[in-house]
Amino acid sequence: DGGITQSPKYLFRKEGQNVTLSCEQNLNHDAMYWYRQDPGQGLRLIYYSQIVNDFQKGDIAEGYSVSREKKESFPLTVTSAQKNPTAFYLCASSSRVDNTEAFFGQGTRLTVV
Amino acid sequence: AQSVTQLDSQVPVFEEAPVELRCNYSSSVSVYLFWYVQYPNQGLQLLLKYLSGSTLVESINGFEAEFNKSQTSFHLRKPSVHISDTAEYFCAVSDATGGGADGLTFGKGTHLIIQP
Repeated sequence: DGGITQSPKYLFRKEGQNVTLSCEQNLNHDAMYWYRQDPGQGLRLIYYSQIVNDFQKGDIAEGYSVSREKKESFPLTVTSAQKNPTAFYLCASSSRVDNTEAFFGQGTRLTVV
Repeated sequence: AQSVTQLDSQVPVFEEAPVELRCNYSSSVSVYLFWYVQYPNQGLQLLLKYLSGSTLVESINGFEAEFNKSQTSFHLRKPSVHISDTAEYFCAVSDATGGGADGLTFGKGTHLIIQP
């Protein structure tokens, strides 16, 4: 089945540690996105990538980093510089043919203790 | 830049009653408009979208939304709700001049609570 896979579903880390969230898609989509969701805050765009080896900052990129070495993969690293990293992280992708329809993964809930 | 306002954080409705979830947006450019639904601890699913043409758009499960340019609104409606409609609903916009490729701007969400 085609789709977007985020792993792991739940992640716990100690404060001060970097952590990498995985996002893989087999939809052959060109564009991929990372969003952060906090209770009562909606979703906010962290980073996005429209093609391999290129990405742009979203609205809240500080404290995060990404890479796009392969079309299928767009990992997100939450660094120790991110002041409040505990959140629900969602990855999405869309086709260059129809960028208006974004498909979302099931999310990773990150808890930093 | 765009912004989206969902005026109600929570809407309780009795089963089989009608419901309207309100969404207003602000943008200096043309936008595409979307409603997404999220069930607990899951990702988002597209409910419906407005790109151009007819201002009334419908989903396969009975929801509809109407684009009102003068009021910059895109309210979501359903004439008769079911228990299974209980979820979080997000209104979102994207920049139409970029073909929607630059990501979505979301509202804060409305929790629809269906009471038996």
